[in-house]
Amino acid sequence: AQSVTQLGSHVSVSEGALVLLRCNYSSSVPPYLFWYVQYPNQGLQLLLKYTSAATLVKGINGFEAEFKKSETSFHLTKPSAHMSDAAEYFCAVSEGNGGFKTIFGAGTRLFVKA
Amino acid sequence: DAGVIQSPRHEVTEMGQEVTLRCKPISGHDYLFWYRQTMMRGLELLIYFNNNVPIDDSGMPEDRFSAKMPNASFSTLKIQPSEPRDSAVYFCASGELSQPQHFGDGTRLSIL
Repeated sequence: AQSVTQLGSHVSVSEGALVLLRCNYSSSVPPYLFWYVQYPNQGLQLLLKYTSAATLVKGINGFEAEFKKSETSFHLTKPSAHMSDAAEYFCAVSEGNGGFKTIFGAGTRLFVKA
Repeated sequence: DAGVIQSPRHEVTEMGQEVTLRCKPISGHDYLFWYRQTMMRGLELLIYFNNNVPIDDSGMPEDRFSAKMPNASFSTLKIQPSEPRDSAVYFCASGELSQPQHFGDGTRLSIL
């Protein structure tokens, strides 16, 4: 069975500081991995996805994530936080090669201090 | 591309009333998902369809909940009778096999 664990329900950083949001997954088959962002009163929007190509994936708004199979991790980073990055972030996993059911993590709320 | 469209955006109703949430998926997407989001339980998958056929409804909490997809461009999630504990944000999402899901902006449901 697949599962996703996001470490830290809340993360607070200063504007301009590094953003690191942690995600660990478990999957019995090669996974597809996703990061989504949710702004207040909106649905989830895709930030980036990993589908077994390059292990370092670049997404929108300057975010990137690195797939590390040995650590079963897919952490999300951004070199310099901006106030507009304040939102909730969800890591998700689905079965690769034809999987259709996506499992979402509990989410991490990012706060950015001026 | 108009994206996934959900209606209404907000619904406030009294306990015991029937509630119907509506969703128009992105044209061409084979999969449609209904989720519920609460502070306590996070994002929960309720049911999903493939080519208008329900595939997995194991997340539907009770018989009071039902979902239909009469055609490729429309789906409903119905709660009858509604209870205060059903208060949540309900999201519809659509997608294609092994591709990211596209979410609507949700329906915020309050049952008094």
